Amino acid sequence: ILNVEQSPQSLHVQEGDSTNFTCSFPSSNFYALHWYRWETAKSPEALFVMTLNGDEKKKGRISATLNTKEGYSYLYIKGSQPEDSATYLCATVPGSQGNLIFGKGTKLSVKP
Amino acid sequence: EAGVAQSPRYKIIEKRQSVAFWCNPISGHATLYWYQQILGQGPKLLIQFQNNGVVDDSQLPKDRFSAERLKGVDSTLKIQPAKLEDSAVYLCASSLDLSGKGGEQFFGPGTRLTVL
Repeated sequence: ILNVEQSPQSLHVQEGDSTNFTCSFPSSNFYALHWYRWETAKSPEALFVMTLNGDEKKKGRISATLNTKEGYSYLYIKGSQPEDSATYLCATVPGSQGNLIFGKGTKLSVKP
Repeated sequence: EAGVAQSPRYKIIEKRQSVAFWCNPISGHATLYWYQQILGQGPKLLIQFQNNGVVDDSQLPKDRFSAERLKGVDSTLKIQPAKLEDSAVYLCASSLDLSGKGGEQFFGPGTRLTVL
């Protein structure tokens, strides 16, 4: 059974702070890693799908890196805004079966 | 483009009752997923369909849960009878990826089920 670990579980920051979260996963049999943002009462929204070791992706103030050899991914948010408050989920795709295995998420709260 | 639709959004039932959830995926998406997200946990895949065929239902508690995707479009997930531990958010997702191999998944808003 694969375990996807996310840290921290929750995070409280002030508006304007930059922050980052970690997603750890078994490096063997890796196929892809997904990051999702899930705001309360809304649909989880895909942020990034990453497959290559060393990959870096950016969307506005949010970026992510991937290290498949050591089994981790970082998600960075630059200059956090209250609208960034959400739970950030990462999920791995082992092998090529296509099933996402999710971590428990990191809940971010940004205070104005 | 319309997103993934789910209904109802909220449902409260008593244990041993039955409940059904409905999902309408994004038009043209071949692959449909049902996930269960228990409070404090990450979403867990219950069943994956490709068109109207089941690809993976290894984590579906088949003694009480059933799902179908007639005509390869809409899907329903049923629980009969419900237990207290079934209280969770049930998420439906769809993917254009015909191979079902790790492509981006688009999620609906979920149905929050409370079993009393």
